[in-house]
Amino acid sequence: DTGVSQDPRHKITKRGQNVTFRCDPISEHNRLYWYRQTLGQGPEFLTYFQNEAQLEKSRLLSDRFSAERPKGSFSTLEIQRTEQGDSAMYLCASSLYLLNEQFFGPGTRLTVL
Amino acid sequence: AQTVTQSQPEMSVQEAETVTLSCTYDTSESDYYLFWYKQPPSRQMILVIRQEAYKQQNATENRFSVNFQKAAKSFSLKISDSQLGDAAMYFCAYRSNTGANSKLTFGKGITLSVRP
Repeated sequence: DTGVSQDPRHKITKRGQNVTFRCDPISEHNRLYWYRQTLGQGPEFLTYFQNEAQLEKSRLLSDRFSAERPKGSFSTLEIQRTEQGDSAMYLCASSLYLLNEQFFGPGTRLTVL
Repeated sequence: AQTVTQSQPEMSVQEAETVTLSCTYDTSESDYYLFWYKQPPSRQMILVIRQEAYKQQNATENRFSVNFQKAAKSFSLKISDSQLGDAAMYFCAYRSNTGANSKLTFGKGITLSVRP
């Protein structure tokens, strides 16, 4: 197991386009988190899953954002009608149980032109 | 809501010297964890050290140790014998042990540079 992976690593898109990111957690990790990190800031929580259930969404996650985790394995984060303010690093993390360490992926850097 | 504050945006240390990174936090909870994460340039974030609020003893991991002052809500990281590979952004983070959401709340981070 090579850890949490994210794809793509970089994405450049034009304003108004839709984008989708993928996160593959460490196998058997039942918790999966999405965070957003803007330049010069720490990561901010967006949403998390326990298995396939999305249990909490931050108010940062507007209705243009949707996340899924079908079958409790990989997860996707989709942003519709992207805006320049969506430009950020999107980080995924996974953990085995509620209080275990979160392992982070390398992130997907989104640039909206 | 919990907040984490890292007021120093940048620090520099000479190789082999010791440096301390500061962090303060605010919470009304009594059961929580505190963490320091390292984010090297263009590489993924990794956990450096963790501290459970109920433990009096300060955590230590090799060259990394913390000074946890619960009453003052202070959680600093000391790096001894600094190495060039320690250069990175360091984030202080908080996690509640109450409830089902184990999300991390991060500070803004501090950029540490190590001078050879």
